[in-house]
Amino acid sequence: NAGVTQTPKFQVLKTGQSMTLQCAQDMNHEYMSWYRQDPGMGLRLIHYSVGAGITDQGEVPNGYNVSRSTTEDFPLRLLSAAPSQTSVYFCASSYGRSGNTIYFGEGSWLTVV
Amino acid sequence: SQELEQSPQSLIVQEGKNLTINCTSSKTLYGLYWYKQKYGEGLIFLMMLQKGGEEKSHEKITAKLDEKKQQSSLHITASQPSHAGIYLCGAGPWGAQKLVFGQGTRLTINP
Repeated sequence: NAGVTQTPKFQVLKTGQSMTLQCAQDMNHEYMSWYRQDPGMGLRLIHYSVGAGITDQGEVPNGYNVSRSTTEDFPLRLLSAAPSQTSVYFCASSYGRSGNTIYFGEGSWLTVV
Repeated sequence: SQELEQSPQSLIVQEGKNLTINCTSSKTLYGLYWYKQKYGEGLIFLMMLQKGGEEKSHEKITAKLDEKKQQSSLHITASQPSHAGIYLCGAGPWGAQKLVFGQGTRLTINP
């Protein structure tokens, strides 16, 4: 039972570098999302997807790009890393809408220097 | 847009004491989720509430949803060191899509 798997767990980037945070789920969930967690601010939605080929912006999408070519994978790309993107990133997935448990990955700790 | 306010933001209790964390919404609550996060780790699902008046319990943790007050409460009975962590409430009727979170409540249990 892998659930939601995120890689890498820790990453240090230099300003201006690009990278991809990987997220994979093996539960055949339709919905997947990326959140970032900053001190005192809870989790904020970056991008989400309701199925393969369909993505949309959340509350804080600037500087991030996503794609959903398969049901299982939902990578998050940082195009040109900035110190403001230092955060903890969580991927989540669920099957359908309300009433279903939302599963979260273990998080990716990203530091941009 | 919906906003969730958790109170208190930080809580320190003596081991064995009861405690309550509240989550108040700016709009009607549909699908309220409670998560626990250990420091530096991921989110652990605790409970999900959907209907006004609904109450669920798991071990020593009870969560209630008061639809009229647009509020949910999380009550821990006879707290233990294992209960320490950050408790987050999240809401939204769309599953993992567009979930809104409170800012979290940091719980410390003193022996």
